[in-house]
Amino acid sequence: GAGVSQSPRYKVAKRGQDVALRCDPISGHVSLFWYQQALGQGPEFLTYFQNEAQLDKSGLPSDRFFAERPEGSVSTLKIQRTQQEDSAVYLCASSQPLQGVGEKLFFGSGTQLSVL
Amino acid sequence: DAKTTQPTSMDCAEGRAANLPCNHSTISGNEYVYWYRQIHSQGPQYIIHGLKNNETNEMASLIITEDRKSSTLILPHATLRDTAVYYCIVRSLRSTNAGKSTFGDGTTLTVKP
Repeated sequence: GAGVSQSPRYKVAKRGQDVALRCDPISGHVSLFWYQQALGQGPEFLTYFQNEAQLDKSGLPSDRFFAERPEGSVSTLKIQRTQQEDSAVYLCASSQPLQGVGEKLFFGSGTQLSVL
Repeated sequence: DAKTTQPTSMDCAEGRAANLPCNHSTISGNEYVYWYRQIHSQGPQYIIHGLKNNETNEMASLIITEDRKSSTLILPHATLRDTAVYYCIVRSLRSTNAGKSTFGDGTTLTVKP
């Protein structure tokens, strides 16, 4: 597609419910990133994939958060037993690293998760 | 990745140049300076990046000091649509941490008529 697509755009969950957020990166992009953005703050790194390999998951706040990218394209961020503090916008970004000339991140519009 | 320091907010008159500063005094030799902006309810949008030379594209110019400890993003003729939060980040491309970027809280630029 033309850009990074995320779905759903909005998600309302009851506390304790499991949710799954989807990211469709730009076709051919090797790298994929997930960020969490609380209201009024900048995006916070969660995890990073290079193709299907999850190279960095140091930003995942707890073991309730899990991300996968099994075929190296679409990625899913899953949050189990959601809590109110999980309410945030979840952003996905993809990129095609260009050695020696830097790398641009292309972001989706995000999924706004509200946990009641 | 090195941390960055930006003013919380700035105002600019429409049609004038907007100069947004960023301090990154702990930047290392293999780290690039990137600028992104985020308009309300959208994901961040890439603006420009550089390593040590000044850069210009259709959106903006990036001026990096010789010691690379600070930079300035210049929007030459700001419009109302440039009102957004602007993030300055530094980012290493080493394979061990290429994925992680620290955005901070950015500078909220308000362009006024």
